[in-house]
Amino acid sequence: GIQVEQSPPDLILQEGANSTLRCNFSDSVNNLQWFHQNPWGQLINLFYIPSGTKQNGRLSATTVATERYSLLYISSSQTTDSGVYFCAVELRGANNLFFGTGTRLTVIP
Amino acid sequence: EAGVAQSPRYKIIEKRQSVAFWCNPISGHATLYWYQQILGQGPKLLIQFQNNGVVDDSQLPKDRFSAERLKGVDSTLKIQPAKLEDSAVYLCASSLAPLVQFFGPGTRLTVL
Repeated sequence: GIQVEQSPPDLILQEGANSTLRCNFSDSVNNLQWFHQNPWGQLINLFYIPSGTKQNGRLSATTVATERYSLLYISSSQTTDSGVYFCAVELRGANNLFFGTGTRLTVIP
Repeated sequence: EAGVAQSPRYKIIEKRQSVAFWCNPISGHATLYWYQQILGQGPKLLIQFQNNGVVDDSQLPKDRFSAERLKGVDSTLKIQPAKLEDSAVYLCASSLAPLVQFFGPGTRLTVL
């Protein structure tokens, strides 16, 4: 089956710092999404990004489908950015998402 | 717009007991998903409905898990009998199209 690996597994940042999270996937995909799971467990959709670059405020994401990876950039991090970031991919011919291993981010004041 | 609703939020049962979870998707969303998230892992799809038909239930342990979506709106997920390894958060999600999924707050199940 498809492998979806994220790095780093854990990340601790000082408030105001920038970070880059990576998602590697082992097969061609139709769709890739980034999610943030807050400390209370709620999953929030950040980006739907099968290819290209998108930006939303302090967050941006880039997917290079031909090289099978995606990056999530967080600039000027805030304590509310803490939580687990997941990427999830939809395989070609499938109709559901496979989630990665997650990156746990802790932003300290 | 109201989000995906789930209940209960927490449930504690003993092994071999039965339990049921309820999900109300976002209005108009034809596709509904149930996921299991074990502590420290990403969510894993259990079953996907399109309206009231099953699209994918290949990862559902059918000897003990069942799910239904009557009238293509609300859905229930049942576990009977529960095992210790079923302790997890059960997430419901819904989508319109193409596949941007919106998640509910989840039900945290503890099996003792």
